[in-house]
Amino acid sequence: QVQLQQSGTELVKPASSVKISCKASGYTFTSNYMHWIRQQPGNGLEWIGWIYPGNGNTKYNQKFDGKATLTADKSSSTAYMQLSSLTSEDSAVYFCAREDYSGDVDWFAYWGQGTLVTVSS
Amino acid sequence: DIQMTQSPASLSASLGETISIECRASEDIYSNLAWYQQKSGKSPQLLIYAANRLQDGVPSRFSGSGSGTQYSLKISGMQPEDEGDYFCLQGSKFPLTFGSGTKLEIK
Repeated sequence: QVQLQQSGTELVKPASSVKISCKASGYTFTSNYMHWIRQQPGNGLEWIGWIYPGNGNTKYNQKFDGKATLTADKSSSTAYMQLSSLTSEDSAVYFCAREDYSGDVDWFAYWGQGTLVTVSS
Repeated sequence: DIQMTQSPASLSASLGETISIECRASEDIYSNLAWYQQKSGKSPQLLIYAANRLQDGVPSRFSGSGSGTQYSLKISGMQPEDEGDYFCLQGSKFPLTFGSGTKLEIK
C-alpha cells in the first residue's frame, strides 16, 4: 500500500536551515508529483510547491521562492524539502502529499504524517 | 491567486443531523475541488475529489456537489466520528489554495 513516511520533529535556531524528508513506498516513486504543504499553528494550509521525481522538475508557490528547495532521490524513493533562513514564522507542521490526477483534475489521496518544525533560540 | 472562501468557520450538529459546508472560489475552478477531513494531530484525509467523486472507503453519507465557483460538502446523518476540521482545496490553478476550514463538533 502507498505510504509516505516523513522525518521527525525538528527544533532549529533562527537563521538556520532544516531539511525534511518524505520516503515513499508502495508505488513507483518517479510516476507521481510530490507536493509539500504547510500548516501553521491555528492557521490554515498553504501550498508550498511540487517536485516531479521522474525528472526533478519543480514548481513553487511564489511566496516560498527562496525559502523552500525541493529535491528528490530516485534511488531511495525519498523527497526532500529544505527550508532556509528560518524565522519563527516558519514554525509549522509540514506535509508531503502525493498527487493523483485524471484529466484536468488532481487530488491528494496520500499524505505523510507531518513533520513539526519549531524555530526557537 | 484564487481565493477560496469557506463557510461556516464552525458548526455544531446533533447526531443524525444533515450538514453542509460551502466553498466559494474567486474564479471558475472547473470542478477541480477536493474536500478533506482532518482530525487533531493527524494528516488530512481525502473525502471527495473532482467536486463530487467519493474517495474509496469514505462513507456514502459524505457527498460533494457544485460547479463553477460554488461547491459544497454534505454530511447526511452526522456521526460521532465526523467531528473534526474540514477544508476544501482547489487544484485548478497554481498556486493551489485551500479554504480556511470548518470546525465541526457534536452538539
